[in-house]
Amino acid sequence: DVKVTQSSRYLVKRTGEKVFLECVQDMDHENMFWYRQDPGLGLRLIYFSYDVKMKEKGDIPEGYSVSREKKERFSLILESASTNQTSMYLCATGQGTTNYGYTFGSGTRLTVV
Amino acid sequence: QKEVEQNSGPLSVPEGAIASLNCTYSDRGSQSFFWYRQYSGKSPELIMSIYSNGDKEDGRFTAQLNKASQYVSLLIRDSQPSDSATYLCAVLGFSNTGNQFYFGTGTSLTVIP
Repeated sequence: DVKVTQSSRYLVKRTGEKVFLECVQDMDHENMFWYRQDPGLGLRLIYFSYDVKMKEKGDIPEGYSVSREKKERFSLILESASTNQTSMYLCATGQGTTNYGYTFGSGTRLTVV
Repeated sequence: QKEVEQNSGPLSVPEGAIASLNCTYSDRGSQSFFWYRQYSGKSPELIMSIYSNGDKEDGRFTAQLNKASQYVSLLIRDSQPSDSATYLCAVLGFSNTGNQFYFGTGTSLTVIP
């Protein structure tokens, strides 16, 4: 089974802090994605990557950046955390055509105070 | 903007009944469709995929696809309390940056013992 590991299950950060969310997968999946999930809004795509050092903006990239230096690791960075970034963050991976669906990590619940 | 619509629910069914979850999508060119189950506080897990018109059965789950009507559904037979979760519909769409999934906001299902 593909394992997608997110480094933290719960995080509490202060407003203005720089926050790093890490995602590591142990299969050779090309595609990696970062979503946030909020009640009533569903899953919203922040950034995605189809290859090392490649990144594309999703639907809500403002206030976020990403890094993919190695194929297995995709990091989400909150440059200056704000309270409206309090959310559940989910990393997902998929094979090239993504016809097999995504596999999600266990999620990181981030609270910004 | 590609849209995936689901009734948010909540949907309540008695134990042993059939639960019917529905999803419509806007992109007529979509070819791959998925259902995810998400327990409260957990990440989504893939339970069904369907690519062709008609029905696809897997145990107590049946996915139904009608591309002409742009409609996909999930039937859960002999519903169990353990089926209580939010069910997300996902549609594989194509954009100028590549393939990505578009998710509905989910339907909350409660199976009453």
